[in-house]
Amino acid sequence: DAGVTQSPTHLIKTRGQQVTLRCSPKSGHDTVSWYQQALGQGPQFIFQYYEEEERQRGNFPDRFSGHQFPNYSSELNVNALLLGDSALYLCASSLEPGLNYEQYFGPGTRLTVT
Amino acid sequence: AQSVTQLGSHVSVSEGALVLLRCNYSSSVPPYLFWYVQYPNQGLQLLLKYTTGATLVKGINGFEAEFKKSETSFHLTKPSAHMSDAAEYFCAVSERGNKLVFGAGTILRVKS
Repeated sequence: DAGVTQSPTHLIKTRGQQVTLRCSPKSGHDTVSWYQQALGQGPQFIFQYYEEEERQRGNFPDRFSGHQFPNYSSELNVNALLLGDSALYLCASSLEPGLNYEQYFGPGTRLTVT
Repeated sequence: AQSVTQLGSHVSVSEGALVLLRCNYSSSVPPYLFWYVQYPNQGLQLLLKYTTGATLVKGINGFEAEFKKSETSFHLTKPSAHMSDAAEYFCAVSERGNKLVFGAGTILRVKS
């Protein structure tokens, strides 16, 4: 049973560029959440997708956007990259939000902005 | 708004000693509480969770945690530390399974 997968593993971008990160949820899961983990900090919630719609959003600017596909996979897009966007981006999948289901995390994508 | 405070950014114990990692939370509704572990360059792995029912929760790798509503705490313990327990541990709170709010993490060092 495949767990949560993310691609790419590492990514280096330049300030001002745009980036797309990808996530495939654990088999049977229909909800995807994205988190940003800066160095030395706990993960911070970016947004959550369910039924191809953004259900919840954390305190992140509009430069951060996402998408969920019919097969439940998801993308995180970040425009106009800033040095402060350098972080580990974690994807987590779960069953329908609002219920008693834990989130399973992928290995993350390490984004470095230079 | 929900929040989590983890007391001690670094904890060091000897192999075989008791592990105690502290977590206090704030929530306006009955919380769901979680402990996750993160090994270097990896994602987060769920150790245990509390949703409802029994307040003493047992997880993987011999860890357990007790939900104490009166103290708004959810401390993580393990009777005997093993070298393989060295990692970073995160406490998190959520409202009914929605977004997770994490603490800043505690790095556990196990000395031989």
